[in-house]
Amino acid sequence: SQTIHQWPATLVQPVGSPLSLECTVEGTSNPNLYWYRQAAGRGLQLLFYSVGIGQISSEVPQNLSASRPQDRQFILSSKKLLLSDSGFYLCAWSVAEGYEQYFGPGTRLTVT
Amino acid sequence: TQLLEQSPQFLSIQEGENLTVYCNSSSVFSSLQWYRQEPGEGPVLLVTVVTGGEVKKLKRLTFQFGDARKDSSLHITAAQPGDTGLYLCAVFMNTGFQKLVFGTGTRLLVSP
Repeated sequence: SQTIHQWPATLVQPVGSPLSLECTVEGTSNPNLYWYRQAAGRGLQLLFYSVGIGQISSEVPQNLSASRPQDRQFILSSKKLLLSDSGFYLCAWSVAEGYEQYFGPGTRLTVT
Repeated sequence: TQLLEQSPQFLSIQEGENLTVYCNSSSVFSSLQWYRQEPGEGPVLLVTVVTGGEVKKLKRLTFQFGDARKDSSLHITAAQPGDTGLYLCAVFMNTGFQKLVFGTGTRLLVSP
């Protein structure tokens, strides 16, 4: 069966510090991968998606970037965090676009 | 302007009560999904409705897609504390990519 992992689960970082969140998927090959951000108790906003290694599409221009160095690894990064980057970051995968998405457990990021 | 408006935003009820939450839009969709998200976790897909007027049941949960495929409702019968969570509707939007767009969410609290 497929599983999706995210780490860390919780992160507190000062403004201006770098960020690296990691997501890995097991049990499937060449998945579509997604990064979402969720404001407190609200809907999810798609940040990035990837259909293959090295292929990244950005949905929202901002202080963040994403990379996919391996087939089942998706990384969300920032060089300098802003207060507004605080939130709940979720990674998801699907077999292809338009198909059911499966979400990871999320990372709670607090920028202080 | 949100593509999918959910109401109510927050609902606090006692165990055993019935409730209905709504997902509304002015746009027509080919399908609509409902997710439930528990605190500190990622959303989990509950159901996908495809046909206008379609009704799907999942134990005590009844999902209905509007005849015009612009809206949907989720009815919970005899709510239990385990139903507590954030309920999100979502649709795929074709923006050159099948992007999953989420509603604003309804937070449900069921007290014993």
